[in-house]
Amino acid sequence: DAGVTQSPTHLIKTRGQHVTLRCSPISGHKSVSWYQQVLGQGPQFIFQYYEKEERGRGNFPDRFSARQFPNYSSELNVNALLLGDSALYLCASSLPGGRETQYFGPGTRLLVL
Amino acid sequence: DAKTTQPPSMDCAEGRAANLPCNHSTISGNEYVYWYRQIHSQGPQYIIHGLKNNETNEMASLIITEDRKSSTLILPHATLRDTAVYYCIVRVSSGGSNYKLTFGKGTLLTVNP
Repeated sequence: DAGVTQSPTHLIKTRGQHVTLRCSPISGHKSVSWYQQVLGQGPQFIFQYYEKEERGRGNFPDRFSARQFPNYSSELNVNALLLGDSALYLCASSLPGGRETQYFGPGTRLLVL
Repeated sequence: DAKTTQPPSMDCAEGRAANLPCNHSTISGNEYVYWYRQIHSQGPQYIIHGLKNNETNEMASLIITEDRKSSTLILPHATLRDTAVYYCIVRVSSGGSNYKLTFGKGTLLTVNP
């Protein structure tokens, strides 16, 4: 079975640009979460979506937004990129419910110059 | 959010058991302990989770103390491929029945030949 897939794998942008990252969850998973991991730190929670609705949000500015589609795939958008947005962006999918485990994709590495 | 404390690094000889400790003294009664690992530049890999009882799967064993204030992840026969950053996480609610993972810096386990 295919795991969580993310695209692109790598991306280079310049300050002020915007970026869209994509995630396809494991088949049957309906919840998608996004995390940001800067170099040397653990992943930090950005968003969680379930049934196309935002169910949780971390401490990130409004430049970060996301959405989930009817097929449960998801996009993460970041506007007005800053150098500090350079990071590995991770997507995790899970079944909804009280005991679901989140399974992570390989991530998209974003470099902002 | 419940916080976890892990040693920054540990070494283990190949073929020996690796015992990774974690303190989570502020954990609430219904919060699960999760363990993930991350091999350089890859997405975190789920290992195991538990609530109160000890758990075992094909990858590892999880020992949770009776007061639930600490736990130990055991890799019974460490191999070189087990070299990774290991994260102990207390899963907390992000709203309703949805959950987020709050990562710390983890423990860098180095398995030596």
